[in-house]
This record gives sequence, C-alpha cells and structure tokens, in this order.
Amino acid sequence: QLQLQESGPGLVKPSETLSLTCTVSGGSISSSSYYWGWIRQPPGQGLEWIGSIYYSGSTYYNPSLKSRATISVDTSKNQFSLKLSSVTAADTAVYYCARQRRQLVPNWFDPWGQGTLVTVSS
Amino acid sequence: QSVLTQPPSVSGAPGQRVTISCTGSSSNIGAGYDVHWYHQLPGTAPKLLIYGDSNRPSGVPDRLSGSKSGASASLAITGLQAEDEADYYCQSYDSSLSGSVFGGGTKLTVL
Repeated sequence: QLQLQESGPGLVKPSETLSLTCTVSGGSISSSSYYWGWIRQPPGQGLEWIGSIYYSGSTYYNPSLKSRATISVDTSKNQFSLKLSSVTAADTAVYYCARQRRQLVPNWFDPWGQGTLVTVSS
Repeated sequence: QSVLTQPPSVSGAPGQRVTISCTGSSSNIGAGYDVHWYHQLPGTAPKLLIYGDSNRPSGVPDRLSGSKSGASASLAITGLQAEDEADYYCQSYDSSLSGSVFGGGTKLTVL
C-alpha cells in the first residue's frame, strides 16, 4: 500500500525559505502513470494546489505561487521536495503531499500524506 | 476566491439525500475536464471519494455518486449517516491556469 510522509521544520521565519520533503513508501516514485504534488490548507480554509512534478523532473506550478515555489525529485531516495521562498504569515498552512494520476491532463490526488503544519512567525 | 464554486454549507437529516454542487467555467469543467471529489474529517487529510466525474474508488459506498453537466458537477449522498459529516471538496483541471484547481469546500452537517 502506497504511503506518503511529509517532513520538515514546523516553524519558519518571515522572509526565509520553507523546505519540506515527502517520502514515498510502498511503491516507486518513478512511475509513468503519476505526478507527485504539493497541496496546502491554511487554518480554517480550503485546499490550494501548489505544484506537481513528474519523476523525470518536469514540473508545473500554480501561477500564483510559481515565482516562489520550487519542486524537485530524488528518485534514488523515492522522495520529492518543496521549497517556498520569501514566506510570510499568509504561507502558514498544513502542507500535504499526494500522488496525482497522470492522464491527458493531471488528474486526481490519491493517496495523500497526513500533512504537516508549517507556521511562519518570528 | 476559488476557481470552482461550492456552497459553503449543506445539511440534511439522517437517511435523507443531499447534493453538493461544484460550478466551474469553460476553461475547466465546461471544457470537459474530469471532476474529482474528496472529503475531509477534522484534523485529517482529504480522502478521494469520486474520480473521473462518477467513479468510486474501492471501499467508497455506493450511497455516494458523482455527475457532471455542462460547466457544473454534483456529488450526491443518499441515506445520510452521521459519519458523512465532513468537509467536501471538488477538484478539476483548468486550461487557462494550466494546473489543478479546487473548490472552496462545503461543510456537510447531519442534523
């Protein structure tokens, strides 16, 4: 059974870079059928897709975050990572990683990691 | 402001049927892109309920069904149960944004 687990600092200072890693277990990240994505949820709010990556390294991002977000993949470790630069309090959220079905267009997310709360505060 | 519009809340009594709508535009649902539905219990990660407009993953009861018409989609839940109380989100692809989009979420309350 495929599982995803987010890891990284729970507290980041304003203007610094948020860094998270998602470790995939129970399956290979190098599958031609899937992308690997990051989604976030500010406290009490809805879901926002951040971006997704294919195992080859090709990426696509939410235009509203594209200038600050970088997603990378390490197939040797079965991991993919998110870096979000110049963070502000508005970036405080639970960050989820998830597998995304790859078809003619990127499709549904399943499964999801349990999520990790990142707070931006000095 | 979400690209996909959902009602903030819906409610129903146990045993009743409720529907949750998801309204998009010509660059997402109206363009024929698939709609997917998730539910989220408090403090937990979203879980896939419906994919490809109307398909249920293994383990999702047939009380839940999805449909799509034009630029809108709906999730229907029949035989409402207390365990259905959760937040529900729709998701699709948007060609203008070249990416995935979510609805703002709907809180389902079982009376």
